Amino acid sequence: EPEVTQTPSHQVTQMGQEVILRCVPISNHLYFYWYRQILGQKVEFLVSFYNNEISEKSEIFDDQFSVERPDGSNFTLKIRSTKLEDSAMYFCASIEVAYEQYFGPGTRLTVT
Amino acid sequence: KNEVEQSPQNLTAQEGEFITINCSYSVGISALHWLQQHPGGGIVSLFMLSSGKKKHGRLIATINIQEKHSSLHITASHPRDSAVYICAGALPSGSRLTFGEGTQLTVNP
Repeated sequence: EPEVTQTPSHQVTQMGQEVILRCVPISNHLYFYWYRQILGQKVEFLVSFYNNEISEKSEIFDDQFSVERPDGSNFTLKIRSTKLEDSAMYFCASIEVAYEQYFGPGTRLTVT
Repeated sequence: KNEVEQSPQNLTAQEGEFITINCSYSVGISALHWLQQHPGGGIVSLFMLSSGKKKHGRLIATINIQEKHSSLHITASHPRDSAVYICAGALPSGSRLTFGEGTQLTVNP
């Protein structure tokens, strides 16, 4: 069965450093998403991506965040200058059209 | 403003019991997703519903569009069903999900 993959599974970084989280969505899917979950809290939407551009973003997704689909398979989330409060589990998801979302296993980001 | 609300927050059951988790959602949500989050953090999609009822094994999901309410039922619960169950609403046409707080289910042997 096709699956969404994410790397790395765990990333530790120092405050102020840039991080790039990587996702490989399912190949025939059209919509891509990043969500995050701070420990003990609910999952929150960050950004959606369709047709090579951002289709929607939340208030969390400020200028420190960016997304790219550089080569037609990878989908990346970049945080330019990490803060302590960016520590969370980051999930990538993709869908074909209006069907169920397939989630990746997540990247646990720890900012120290 | 909470667009998706779940209850209960925590649920403990004995193996074999019938379990119900409830979800209410606001106007504008066109489909309702039920997700399962394992202790390691991974999220698995269980159902997507826009009307009626769906069944997969011992899991049943129902939705009442008029009342904006959905339920997830687990029949003959088992300790391996222990997980967080999350209700999430989707706006039309491939839009992002809005998540409920989740229900921590513990099934004791």
